[in-house]
Amino acid sequence: KAGVTQTPRYLIKTRGQQVTLSCSPISGHRSVSWYQQTPGQGLQFLFEYFSETQRNKGNFPGRFSGRQFSNSRSEMNVSTLELGDSALYLCASSLSGGDGTEAFFGQGTRLTVV
Amino acid sequence: QQQVKQSPQSLIVQKGGISIINCAYENTAFDYFPWYQQFPGKGPALLIAIRPDVSEKKEGRFTISFNKSAKQFSLHIMDSQPGDSATYFCAASTRGNTGKLIFGQGTTLQVKP
Repeated sequence: KAGVTQTPRYLIKTRGQQVTLSCSPISGHRSVSWYQQTPGQGLQFLFEYFSETQRNKGNFPGRFSGRQFSNSRSEMNVSTLELGDSALYLCASSLSGGDGTEAFFGQGTRLTVV
Repeated sequence: QQQVKQSPQSLIVQKGGISIINCAYENTAFDYFPWYQQFPGKGPALLIAIRPDVSEKKEGRFTISFNKSAKQFSLHIMDSQPGDSATYFCAASTRGNTGKLIFGQGTTLQVKP
């Protein structure tokens, strides 16, 4: 069974631009969560999607948004990029995000904002 | 109240020794506590997880100890090996909400041969 796939693996963008990251969950998984990982702040929850609906949201500005498609694939968008958005963005999928369901992470997308 | 505090930040252990990483939380609504292992360039991988209805869970060389009254839980790695050198994260989530994990700050473990 294929794992969680994130594309692209690396991105370099300029301040003010926008970026879209993609996540393909494990087959059959319907919950997709996004996290930002930085050396200073660690792993921080961005949002979770389940059945194409945002179910949970972390404390990030509105520049961070996401969506989920009917095949459970998810995208995350960051608009008006700032230098501080440079981070590893991780996607995790689980069967339902409910009780007893484990979250499996992808390898992440390394975003560098210059 | 949503925080999970993890210590130590870094840990050096000799091969064959016991590695111990501790986490504490405030939110009593947390009821799922997983530990993740992350190697450089990789995403976190689930190691072991526990729920508050048990005080200890063991899987191979990895054991979670859970103290509900103290709101603390810890990871013990027995017979630590150089291949265990990685960053370890504890996490917590509320019931039915494992899609939203709150992570500790991480512990970088180095196991010396």
